[in-house]
Amino acid sequence: QVQLQESGPGLVKPSQTLSLTCTVSGESISGGDHYWSWIRQHPGKGLEWVGYIYYSGNTYYSPSLRSRITMSVDTSKNQFSLKLSSVTAADTAVYYCASTKLLFFDNWGQGTLVTVSS
Amino acid sequence: DIQMTQSPSTLSASVGDRVTITCRASHSISSWLAWYQQKPGKAPKLLIYKASSLQGGVPSRFSGYGSGTEFTLTISSLQPDDFATYYCQQFHSYSTFGQGTKVEIK
Repeated sequence: QVQLQESGPGLVKPSQTLSLTCTVSGESISGGDHYWSWIRQHPGKGLEWVGYIYYSGNTYYSPSLRSRITMSVDTSKNQFSLKLSSVTAADTAVYYCASTKLLFFDNWGQGTLVTVSS
Repeated sequence: DIQMTQSPSTLSASVGDRVTITCRASHSISSWLAWYQQKPGKAPKLLIYKASSLQGGVPSRFSGYGSGTEFTLTISSLQPDDFATYYCQQFHSYSTFGQGTKVEIK
């Protein structure tokens, strides 16, 4: 069973860059069985897909966030990461990482709340 | 963008009821649809993928049906553990979620 754990700052200042890491256990990221994804959920709201990355480094980003997102993979640490630049209060959300098979999300991390505030 | 619309937004039901949630896509997505269950403060849990395939470990009272633009999630006999919010997700073109359906106790 794949397990995922998000980590990163819980508070980010407006205009700065949000940086999160997801550590994967139970499966090698470079095994190729899964894509690796970020999904976010604004407080009290629904789910929003942010982007996917494959172990090769191929990325697919949400069109609405594409200009501000960078995702990367570190196979040596079995981790993948999200950077979201120029954040505003609208980026305050719980961020989840998830393993992704055929582009649905079969295992999720517990989620981490990121608040954008000065 | 493919928009996903769920109905109803809220559903009140009793233990033992048969419950059906509908999800409609703005364009055909073939069978590229998944359903998730989310409880307060928890991550979503995958229930159904490719419209009707039951994820391992999910009780058989959950079933999915549909293709093209109209899909349903049915719980055949609602159990106390099933009171939660349910989301559909299309993965035909990138990924989009429905707005959610909250199943609450009647």
